[in-house]
Amino acid sequence: RKEVEQDPGPFNVPEGATVAFNCTYSNSASQSFFWYRQDCRKEPKLLMSVYSSGNEDGRFTAQLNRASQYISLLIRDSKLSDSATYLCVVNGRNTGGFKTIFGAGTRLFVKA
Amino acid sequence: DTGVSQNPRHKITKRGQNVTFRCDPISEHNRLYWYRQTLGQGPEFLTYFQNEAQLEKSRLLSDRFSAERPKGSFSTLEIQRTEQGDSAMYLCASSLEVQIWGSISGNTIYFGEGSWLTVV
Repeated sequence: RKEVEQDPGPFNVPEGATVAFNCTYSNSASQSFFWYRQDCRKEPKLLMSVYSSGNEDGRFTAQLNRASQYISLLIRDSKLSDSATYLCVVNGRNTGGFKTIFGAGTRLFVKA
Repeated sequence: DTGVSQNPRHKITKRGQNVTFRCDPISEHNRLYWYRQTLGQGPEFLTYFQNEAQLEKSRLLSDRFSAERPKGSFSTLEIQRTEQGDSAMYLCASSLEVQIWGSISGNTIYFGEGSWLTVV
């Protein structure tokens, strides 16, 4: 089992749609969580951190469920410019030392 | 520009040659990471430094790979005797780790634009 698993995608949605991405992680000692966005052939860029209480940034909402070791990202009113790969990132210490692990990413295509 | 910078941005090399990539992190960041990414995959952790100390190396990092951060500032990643399977984007990232009561806080990672390696 991978340490961080995401929906394989791709997700093809029309403009204005609401889309949700899911992510699960295996290390219960994980301490911090993020969503990154990566455009084709570009570096990943931080989209938002994920807090236990859930947090929102404009059209984006992130949720964390530590008991289920599950993270989600909700995008409302999708824009063409939201088309990208969304990476789930889990950060924490384990017996092997410090770990920041990326999921394989979920590709989103928003169509006009 | 105060972001993470990497060079060269693109490198084409013949199999068997050595290549070296350089990374300059964000100046106040104490952590520096190297990741490798191939098409369709997320970044795979290779190694990281806390200041000048290399604290962890992934099993992905074979003996042909070596990374240094001699003065706790810039870092180099060298690949010796390159193989076609080494073709990938090599990403450097940095962060500022702040420990509060034993817990990691504010450990957001910022990436450079990556160094693309093609081994022919």
